[in-house]
Amino acid sequence: GAVVSQHPSRVICKSGTSVKIECRSLDFQATTMFWYRQFPKQSLMLMATSNEGSKATYEQGVEKDKFLINHASLTLSTLTVTSAHPEDSSFYICSAIQRSGTKLFFGSGTQLSVL
Amino acid sequence: DQQVKQNSPSLSVQEGRISILNCDYTNSMFDYFLWYKKYPAEGPTFLISISSIKDKNEDGRFTVFLNKSAKHLSLHIVPSQPGDSAVYFCAASARREGAQKLVFGQGTRLTINP
Repeated sequence: GAVVSQHPSRVICKSGTSVKIECRSLDFQATTMFWYRQFPKQSLMLMATSNEGSKATYEQGVEKDKFLINHASLTLSTLTVTSAHPEDSSFYICSAIQRSGTKLFFGSGTQLSVL
Repeated sequence: DQQVKQNSPSLSVQEGRISILNCDYTNSMFDYFLWYKKYPAEGPTFLISISSIKDKNEDGRFTVFLNKSAKHLSLHIVPSQPGDSAVYFCAASARREGAQKLVFGQGTRLTINP
């Protein structure tokens, strides 16, 4: 089956620093990737939709200047949490969809802890 | 506003018995529903789906039932196996907004006891 690789799996950073999370589709071209965030005991919440070669579409309430998304190629999307704050500590997960497919394939997620 | 709700955070079932996971939704525009399974340190993997034009979809040991009038769906696993122990997420989408734009429930942790 299709594989989506997400790195890093866990990151601890100081408040005020920036953190980049990568999401790669290993064996297929992903025209669209999605970024989610999950706080403890809550749902996976969609943050933004990333389309290759164009600007990401952010969900209501998600700051686009804080969560920078880049989808420069058909196999890579990155999420950069800028000027991280402790309240940004969460589980971030990406998903990707094949060019001609309908199913979503998820990465393994990144646990971000901001001190 | 939680549009998709899984009210049971956890469920424990004896091996060989039936596991029933429940999910409720509030948005009447949802017309496509999915169940995902998640093991620790892994991403969710697709399990089974159902379109709103159906009320049942079966795939091996897994059956999803949809009750549109009640805005309720359930996942039945029978017989339950130890490998089924995982967190199960219910998700819904409105195809007019793009079938891939999913709204997730909080998840239910299923534990199958030997």
